Formats: sequence, structure tokens, C-alpha cells
Amino acid sequence: SQQGEEDPQALSIQEGENATMNCSYKTSINNLQWYRQNSGRGLVHLILIRSNEREKHSGRLRVTLDTSKKSSSLLITASRAADTASYFCATVPVIQGAQKLVFGQGTRLTINP
Amino acid sequence: DTGVSQNPRHKITKRGQNVTFRCDPISEHNRLYWYRQTLGQGPEFLTYFQNEAQLEKSRLLSDRFSAERPKGSFSTLEIQRTEQGDSAMYLCASSLVVGVQETQYFGPGTRLLVL
Repeated sequence: SQQGEEDPQALSIQEGENATMNCSYKTSINNLQWYRQNSGRGLVHLILIRSNEREKHSGRLRVTLDTSKKSSSLLITASRAADTASYFCATVPVIQGAQKLVFGQGTRLTINP
Repeated sequence: DTGVSQNPRHKITKRGQNVTFRCDPISEHNRLYWYRQTLGQGPEFLTYFQNEAQLEKSRLLSDRFSAERPKGSFSTLEIQRTEQGDSAMYLCASSLVVGVQETQYFGPGTRLLVL
């Protein structure tokens, strides 16, 4: 079963605008990760935020984490056409052993030139 | 290209046939994961290996599914007596565990269509 829920399910914006995607999850986590997937391709790791972190930046990406609300957001600033993809949040539940990822359903982002 | 490769990239088979997929992880990575992704959904965990040992299997992995990682390097995922419901993208990921955190690197996936 999938833990995360992304919101919105689909987002279409103009190139240059900022895109914000949200993710909610259900259980306590070790960390939360965001991945990108171009159509029909594998997933590319974007950023990892640990449960004791509140905000993290990587280039044009900004991720926030609110463990009290069990939610995270991914902000892509100054969007480009190449950012068109599906974005997934994935949580790592607090459990010994494997860091098996629990994915949400994803947000389909379309950047219009 | 993450360095994880999967073969074949696409597979079309008839219901009832057996299929086998291969994953070659990044060479020094000690963990290998299999996920399944259906259209419009996020990937779902199937199973994982620590070196050659298969340590966990999801309830999604029915008896028709078997995975191996014989020498702790490449892995195979076999589906016997395929069903139409097996149609999905099968993703492999590998990681090198250092301390507590790890990052999984995904291959391009094998897209299976069962007719």
C-alpha cells in the first residue's frame, strides 16, 4: 500500500513560474525523499531530507518537512520546460532493516514554454 | 544514466508464459531492490537483497514471483504463469549503505505487457 499522497495530482504552469508540490504521509519516518520520473523512464533522485531537518535546498529545489503535520513540500523555482515530469515523494518508515521506499502517487508537472 | 541497467527494456508476452528480467546494479552497491509500478501510480516495493541474501518480500510478491541475486551482483526477477494483472513497469534500484542513510539509484525499468 502507498503511504504518501501528493497534491496536486497534476500541475500545469508557464515556464519561469514556480511550481509547488505537496506530499502527506501517515507513519513516522527516518527521512523523506523526492524523485523525478520522465515519461516511461526510471526515477532520478532529487533530494533527501532527514526527519530532524525542516528545510533543504539544492539548486532550484527547496524542500520543507513538517513532521508534526506529516507533510512535505517541493518547490521548483524558475521552472523550465525540461522540468516537465512526474514527481514522487518517498518516505522511509522508522523500521529496522531495509530503507524500502514508500511512494506516493505522484504529481504530473507540465511546464508550458 | 544512474549506472543501474535493466534488461530487457520492454517485454510482451502471452498470458501463462514465464518471463525473466535482469538488473545490473552499480558495482560496489550492496543492496538491491525491486519495485513494481503500474500506470499512474508510484512504485511499490517488492523485495530486496543485502548482498546475496533476500531479506524481505512484500505481500505483492505472490508464489509466481521469484527473485535471486546469486553472487551478490546482478539480480533476476522471474514471473511464472504470467497474468494480465502482472502488466507493469518493473524497477530495480541499488544502494550502498553507509551509516544510517542511503540513496537508491534506479534503473530505467522493464515494461511488461501481458496479452
